[in-house]
Amino acid sequence: EVQLLESGGGLVQPGGSLRLSCAASGFTFSTYAMYWVRQAPGKGLEWVSSISTSGGSTYYADSVKGRFTISRDNSKNTLYLQMNSLRAEDTAVYFCARKCGDCYSFDSWGQGTLVTVSS
Amino acid sequence: EIVLTQSPGTLSLSPGERATLSCRASQSLNSNYLAWYQQKPGQAPRFLIFGASSRATGIPDRFSGSGSGTDFTLTISRLEPEDFAVYYCQRYDSSSWTFGQGTKVEIK
Repeated sequence: EVQLLESGGGLVQPGGSLRLSCAASGFTFSTYAMYWVRQAPGKGLEWVSSISTSGGSTYYADSVKGRFTISRDNSKNTLYLQMNSLRAEDTAVYFCARKCGDCYSFDSWGQGTLVTVSS
Repeated sequence: EIVLTQSPGTLSLSPGERATLSCRASQSLNSNYLAWYQQKPGQAPRFLIFGASSRATGIPDRFSGSGSGTDFTLTISRLEPEDFAVYYCQRYDSSSWTFGQGTKVEIK
């Protein structure tokens, strides 16, 4: 069974940093592109970032470009999101998700971790 | 950038009724790049449909997707109690993904 477990969320002051982790199990992690998607309280879904299987290609939404960095450690089956210069508008539940094998969608999701940016 | 607009915002229906949800793109898009998700309160999204019309593994056949170009539809043929939720469409384009704003299907 595919499992994705996020951790690392919490309360951080504006301008601060946080690193999220997503531990993957139940599948060959190194063969799947991975994603971060966030959802502000009471709002819809927003794609944040993507990373290729090797980690050699990364992509970001304009709203986080230059502040967030996605990475992965295939030896540890773990996906990361380093978040710097955090703003109040980054407050959200952050989900990690796996790419659907041959399609352009996200077929498995973690339960999410809440990041709150507030003074 | 292709924008997805979902309608209606809220759909009030009774169990057993048919639900028709719309997702309209601001520009024509490849139907291979259109997906649908279901989300219940406090839960992660659930993958329903990919390639506009293909059901994901384990999704009941009362869920169906259709459409092409700029107009896409998710149909739930007969609503079950567990189907009341928020539904999002999603598109892929040039290494980025965008979601619609969602349609809430609520019990009438």
